[in-house]
Amino acid sequence: EPEVTQTPSHQVTQMGQEVILRCVPISNHLYFYWYRQILGQKVEFLVSFYNNEISEKSEIFDDQFSVERPDGSNFTLKIRSTKLEDSAMYFCASRQEPSYGYTFGSGTRLTVV
Amino acid sequence: AQSVSQHNHHVILSEAASLELGCNYSYGGTVNLFWYVQYPGQHLQLLLKYFSGDPLVKGIKGFEAEFIKSKFSFNLRKPSVQWSDTAEYFCAVERGSSNTGKLIFGQGTTLQVKP
Repeated sequence: EPEVTQTPSHQVTQMGQEVILRCVPISNHLYFYWYRQILGQKVEFLVSFYNNEISEKSEIFDDQFSVERPDGSNFTLKIRSTKLEDSAMYFCASRQEPSYGYTFGSGTRLTVV
Repeated sequence: AQSVSQHNHHVILSEAASLELGCNYSYGGTVNLFWYVQYPGQHLQLLLKYFSGDPLVKGIKGFEAEFIKSKFSFNLRKPSVQWSDTAEYFCAVERGSSNTGKLIFGQGTTLQVKP
């Protein structure tokens, strides 16, 4: 079964540093997403991406965040200057079209120290 | 604002017991509904989904859910749980009119099944 692949599985970074979380969505999927889950809290929507542009973003997704699909296969989430409160599990997801369910990646646990 | 509530935060059952996990949402329009499961150390996996049609949907591993529009509910059920069902379960809602596919998740229910 096709999978969404995320790397790294765990990243530790110092406050103020930039991090890039990487995702390889399923190849024929057209819609891409990032979600995050702070420990003990809900899974929260960050951003959706379609046709090479952001289609929706949440209040969390401020100027410190950006997404890119640089080469047609990778889908990256960049946090420009990390804060302690960015520590969370970040999930990438993709779907072929709106009538299909999502496929989620296994997540990247980001720890900001 | 749209919200999803899962009433049970932590459920403990013995094997072979029946399971029902509650999920209510607050959006009045057309919705697409999902249940996801997260086994320890693994990613979110789709258990089942409802888009339209028969409000009783069957998913993988013997799970089913019933959409009751008048109650804004989409409860998950399984007649007889197994130890391997120990996991966290998330209900999620997508507005039917959404062209972005954004999901709103409930806070999750941790299910612990004792052998």
